[in-house]
Amino acid sequence: DIQMTQSPSSMSASLGDTVTINCLASQDIGNYLSWYQQKPGKSPKLMIYGATNLEDGVPSRFSGSRSGSDYSLTINSLGYDDEGIYHCHQYYEYPLTFGSGTKLEIK
Amino acid sequence: QVTLKESGPGILQPSQTLSLTCTFSGFSLSTYGMGVGWIRQPSGKGLEWLANIWWDDDKYYNPSLKNRLTISKDTSNNQAFLKITNVDTADTATYYCARIDNSGYYFDYWGQGVMVTVSS
Repeated sequence: DIQMTQSPSSMSASLGDTVTINCLASQDIGNYLSWYQQKPGKSPKLMIYGATNLEDGVPSRFSGSRSGSDYSLTINSLGYDDEGIYHCHQYYEYPLTFGSGTKLEIK
Repeated sequence: QVTLKESGPGILQPSQTLSLTCTFSGFSLSTYGMGVGWIRQPSGKGLEWLANIWWDDDKYYNPSLKNRLTISKDTSNNQAFLKITNVDTADTATYYCARIDNSGYYFDYWGQGVMVTVSS
């Protein structure tokens, strides 16, 4: 199985900050990587697909990047609405797997 | 507008079979390349993929649940189903169904989730 090692597990940042969340794939997954935002009691919301593509309607403050097997989600100009848990997900190969999640708190 | 909604029994006892239904609109599972997946999330924990079903009835399962899973669909009624046999307390979770986009194979729309508790 492909392991997705996500870091950090939690983080706290201030309004207006820029933060980066990382996922390391245990083997090559190409660009078959998506990022989801999940708010308490809600279902995950697609933010990024294909490692770098912004889903329609998602603010351009969000961006995805890839360096080898390292994938990153960067959020610029943090706002209170960005608080939540972020999950990475590889859909390159079965069984599909997710990272363990990053809880983002806005101070 | 794409929507999905899960339904299930709410609570069941160990060793019983869990039957979940995903009722969707805004797309068809008979359309080339479309799929629906099931994912679950125990309270306070991460996401675990369970199974996918595709427009051509191709099916994929998470081997960690061995042979306990069965996914199926009713294209006419825009529904997908998941059965999990011989449940135990470790199956207590919120269960989501999600659409798989036919251009990229990622989960693009998710249902609101249904909470399932396994308890004696």
